[in-house]
Amino acid sequence: DAGVTQSPTHLIKTRGQQVTLRCSPKSGHDTVSWYQQALGQGPQFIFQYYEEEERQRGNFPDRFSGHQFPNYSSELNVNALLLGDSALYLCASSLGGPWGTGELFFGEGSRLTVL
Amino acid sequence: AQTVTQSQPEMSVQEAETVTLSCTYDTSESDYYLFWYKQPPSRQMILVIRQEAYKQQNATENRFSVNFQKAAKSFSLKISDSQLGDAAMYFCAYGTGANSKLTFGKGITLSVRP
Repeated sequence: DAGVTQSPTHLIKTRGQQVTLRCSPKSGHDTVSWYQQALGQGPQFIFQYYEEEERQRGNFPDRFSGHQFPNYSSELNVNALLLGDSALYLCASSLGGPWGTGELFFGEGSRLTVL
Repeated sequence: AQTVTQSQPEMSVQEAETVTLSCTYDTSESDYYLFWYKQPPSRQMILVIRQEAYKQQNATENRFSVNFQKAAKSFSLKISDSQLGDAAMYFCAYGTGANSKLTFGKGITLSVRP
């Protein structure tokens, strides 16, 4: 049973560029949440997708956008990259949207470095 | 806004002994969930234990148990019989639902001495 998979695992971009990160949820899950974890900090919620719609959003600017596909996989896009966007981006999957009661499963993350 | 505070940045415990990690939170909600997550150096976040606020009984999972004090808004994690594999970063988190937006604390680095 494949868990949550994320790609790429590491990437380096320069300021002003755009990046797309990808996430495949755990088998049987239909909900994907994205978190940003700066070095030495706790994760911060970016947004959650369920039924191909953004259901909840954290305090992140519009430069951060996402998408969920019919197969439940998801993408996180960040435009006009800033140095402060350097972080580990975590994807978490679950079942049933914001109202689900099961466990969140996390991927290993995508490490983004902005130079 | 909900906040989660973990005031101890680091802790150390001798193998086989017991350690308690502290967490406080702030919310105006009456029903919510609290979590402890473990993040080993491999980075994958793993759920250790969760507590539903309406349940008065403290959650227990094998060697892991919590002390949930709702009035004091305190949620500590006790690890008994500590093992080398327990060494990791531990995060306390709050959510209004089990799968809704989670607010995490800054985490605590736990080291286990052999």
